[in-house]
Amino acid sequence: DTAVSQTPKYLVTQMGNDKSIKCEQNLGHDTMYWYKQDSKKFLKIMFSYNNKELIINETVPNRFSPKSPDKAHLNLHINSLELGDSAVYFCASSQGFGTGLLNTEAFFGQGTRLTVV
Amino acid sequence: SQQGEEDPQALSIQEGENATMNCSYKTSINNLQWYRQNSGRGLVHLILIRSNEREKHSGRLRVTLDTSKKSSSLLITASRAADTASYFCALGGQAGTALIFGKGTTLSVSS
Repeated sequence: DTAVSQTPKYLVTQMGNDKSIKCEQNLGHDTMYWYKQDSKKFLKIMFSYNNKELIINETVPNRFSPKSPDKAHLNLHINSLELGDSAVYFCASSQGFGTGLLNTEAFFGQGTRLTVV
Repeated sequence: SQQGEEDPQALSIQEGENATMNCSYKTSINNLQWYRQNSGRGLVHLILIRSNEREKHSGRLRVTLDTSKKSSSLLITASRAADTASYFCALGGQAGTALIFGKGTTLSVSS
């Protein structure tokens, strides 16, 4: 069983389109995250939800909108895609309220490689 | 910068040799974690060391943490070709915060 699964794995789309990436975790974790990994492999936190509540919202264009229908799902919707949005997007989850207080690890999905042409 | 900084950026060694990667940071942390990323895959957790710990072992992995110098090292002993991957340190902060990742070290182990 896959612990954190994201779909699709690959996404190629034209500029200006709207697209969504879905993420589900079956670990019973309370917190889920979206990270963006650029071409230099730098991972940057975008959003985090704890029990469906937004707790981290980094400086991300408002074209990016996360949605958490329940604590096992965190989807990412992107409006008006731009060339610079091309990257690999990772979903992750962890137990507790973030990874610091309870000293917990994060579990990552396989990533969604988004290419905007 | 709140992120960790890994050193070196790239490391090439032969099978059987040891690989050492370093991570320096500037913020206060509750823990420091190391992750591995194989090409085209997600990140896999390797080891977590708490801020009150100095050294931790897991199989062929040895992690040290020096909070006074704000630095950590990851040692992989007797490297294998399968260890070829990117390795990231990640900083675990206060409650409600996400892991902050460094830029990674790319390790190549040749047979």
